Amino acid sequence: TQLLEQSPQFLSIQEGENLTVYCNSSSVFSSLQWYRQEPGEGPVLLVTVVTGGEVKKLKRLTFQFGDARKDSSLHITAAQPGDTGLYLCAGAGTGGFKTIFGAGTRLFVKA
Amino acid sequence: NAGVTQTPKFRVLKTGQSMTLLCAQDMNHEYMYWYRQDPGMGLRLIHYSVGEGTTAKGEVPDGYNVSRLKKQNFLLGLESAAPSQTSVYFCASGRDRENTGELFFGEGSRLTVL
Repeated sequence: TQLLEQSPQFLSIQEGENLTVYCNSSSVFSSLQWYRQEPGEGPVLLVTVVTGGEVKKLKRLTFQFGDARKDSSLHITAAQPGDTGLYLCAGAGTGGFKTIFGAGTRLFVKA
Repeated sequence: NAGVTQTPKFRVLKTGQSMTLLCAQDMNHEYMYWYRQDPGMGLRLIHYSVGEGTTAKGEVPDGYNVSRLKKQNFLLGLESAAPSQTSVYFCASGRDRENTGELFFGEGSRLTVL
């Protein structure tokens, strides 16, 4: 059974601080996604990483896929209150069609 | 664009009652999924479908049934609801055969079983 563990589970920081969220597994994934979810809504895709060691940037967000394709990180620079939300990592396994999710990191950015 | 639409958005059931959640997507996606989301547990896969007429079990399939008679629709049924099925249910669809895992979600259906 493939599992994705996210840490930390909860993060409360001041506006302007930097933060990193981690997503780890003992399994190899063919691709990994990061989603953001706001209350009362479904998750919305932020990025997909496919190649081991890949780094993608989305404005102040930097995503990295581990060399072995077992883990990923999300780094936010100079967090803003608008970044508040639930961040979910998800992995698509090799040879299958199932996408599994981590439990999520709930981020709260105080003004 | 409607994307992924779920109905109903809210429902309250008594233990033992049955109901069906409907998911419709207008993106011509092959893959469709039903997840449940509970506090502190992220999204757990209930059932999924890789094409019209096909279904498969996910991580937590017990107590649920699904059908995919038309490519654009994926139905989730509860034959005899239990309080443990109180949750928020999300439908999602996937867009490509290369299985990059990118999913598009509906807004969720909040189910309470008393």
